[in-house]
Amino acid sequence: KAGVTQTPRYLIKTRGQQVTLSCSPISGHRSVSWYQQTPGQGLQFLFEYFSETQRNKGNFPGRFSGRQFSNSRSEMNVSTLELGDSALYLCASSLNPLAASSYNEQFFGPGTRLTVL
Amino acid sequence: AQRVTQPEKLLSVFKGAPVELKCNYSYSGSPELFWYVQYSRQRLQLLLRHISRESIKGFTADLNKGETSFHLKKPFAQEEDSAMYYCALSYGGSQGNLIFGKGTKLSVKP
Repeated sequence: KAGVTQTPRYLIKTRGQQVTLSCSPISGHRSVSWYQQTPGQGLQFLFEYFSETQRNKGNFPGRFSGRQFSNSRSEMNVSTLELGDSALYLCASSLNPLAASSYNEQFFGPGTRLTVL
Repeated sequence: AQRVTQPEKLLSVFKGAPVELKCNYSYSGSPELFWYVQYSRQRLQLLLRHISRESIKGFTADLNKGETSFHLKKPFAQEEDSAMYYCALSYGGSQGNLIFGKGTKLSVKP
C-alpha cells in the first residue's frame, strides 16, 4: 500500500496570504489528523477528522481550518498567515481511531514545510 | 490539561550501554501512552504502545500510573537506535488526537 502523501512538500508564502495543504491517507483509512511541528513548541495537535466530521480540535486560532472529503482525503487551510505559522505540517491517517481494538496505529506523512516571509 | 514531558532534549550513550528515555504525563483519566520514533530522513512512526506490552527492537516501556511515567528502556543500545524519540498520549477514546512531548534525541556512539 502507498503511504500517506502530502502535497505540496514545500511552500513559501508571505504574511497575510492564505494557504491550503492536502493530505491523502492510506487507502481504506477513514481518519486523518493534522499536527504542526515547530522547533519551539514541538508537535502540536491541530484537528482530527473521521468520516468527513471534525472529531477533535486542538488549541489553535480560527485561522486554522480543515475539512475531509468523502474519499477521506483532507485539506487544511490557514488564512491571514503570520510569521509564526512557519512550520512543518504533518498529517496522519488511521483506519478508525474509535475502533474497539486499541491497535489502531497512526501512519504519518512526510509533511509540508511552510515558510512564511 | 493533558501534558507530556520529556525532560531530556539529548541523551548520548555508548554502544552496548543501557538507555532510558524518560516520559512523564499529566492526565486525570486513563490515557493511552505511546512511543514514536523518527530516524534520520524518515517519517515519524510508532515504536510501541503501552497497552500491547510488547518489546520492539529491544525496547520496552512500562506504564506507571502512580508516578505518571512511561519511560522507554533498552538494555543494550545499538548505533541504529540513534533517532528522535517522542512520547505521546491519547485520551477520550480516540488515538487521533495525540499529545506529544518535545522529544529526546538519542545518540548512540560507537
